[in-house]
Amino acid sequence: AQSVTQLGSHVSVSEGALVLLRCNYSSSVPPYLFWYVQYPNQGLQLLLKYTTGATLVKGINGFEAEFKKSETSFHLTKPSAHMSDAAEYFCAVSRGSTLGRLYFGRGTQLTVWP
Amino acid sequence: DAGVTQSPTHLIKTRGQQVTLRCSPKSGHDTVSWYQQALGQGPQFIFQYYEEEERQRGNFPDRFSGHQFPNYSSELNVNALLLGDSALYLCASSLGQGYNQPQHFGDGTRLSIL
Repeated sequence: AQSVTQLGSHVSVSEGALVLLRCNYSSSVPPYLFWYVQYPNQGLQLLLKYTTGATLVKGINGFEAEFKKSETSFHLTKPSAHMSDAAEYFCAVSRGSTLGRLYFGRGTQLTVWP
Repeated sequence: DAGVTQSPTHLIKTRGQQVTLRCSPKSGHDTVSWYQQALGQGPQFIFQYYEEEERQRGNFPDRFSGHQFPNYSSELNVNALLLGDSALYLCASSLGQGYNQPQHFGDGTRLSIL
């Protein structure tokens, strides 16, 4: 069974501060991991993905995430928050046997204060 | 290059009615998945279509059905609407069913049941 836990439904940071959004997964086999961002009244946009290879993955808009198998985590970070980063962020996993089906976490709402 | 397009953007129905939502995948994509996103929740997988057949299905009742056309576009049909069906319905497309293929999402159809 797949499950994704996003710790903290709301995260607030000041502009220029570090952004850290947490994601833990449970999977009986190595998963493929994704972070998506959703702006108000829009669909989901892919930020980054981990499939195989390097465990530190760089994405768009300055975001990156590190796959840590021992901790079953895939936390999303950005060194310096910008006002435009305010949005809902979703962590998702998939694995081969379910052919691309994505299992999403409940999301983390990021607020950026000026 | 057109992305995933969904229609209509908003829809209001009453309990017991039937609804059809439409999706055109991103150019070059042949696989379409549908997700339901209730307010404050992460998207939940409904089903996936590939080569005009339903390939896998999430935990949704038979009231939810779909179709994929030869041009890869897809429809989601929901019968006997319930208040709990109120949600944002997202269509995602990808090239093939591979678990490592990123899914591209449309902006969704907001369905409200009165």
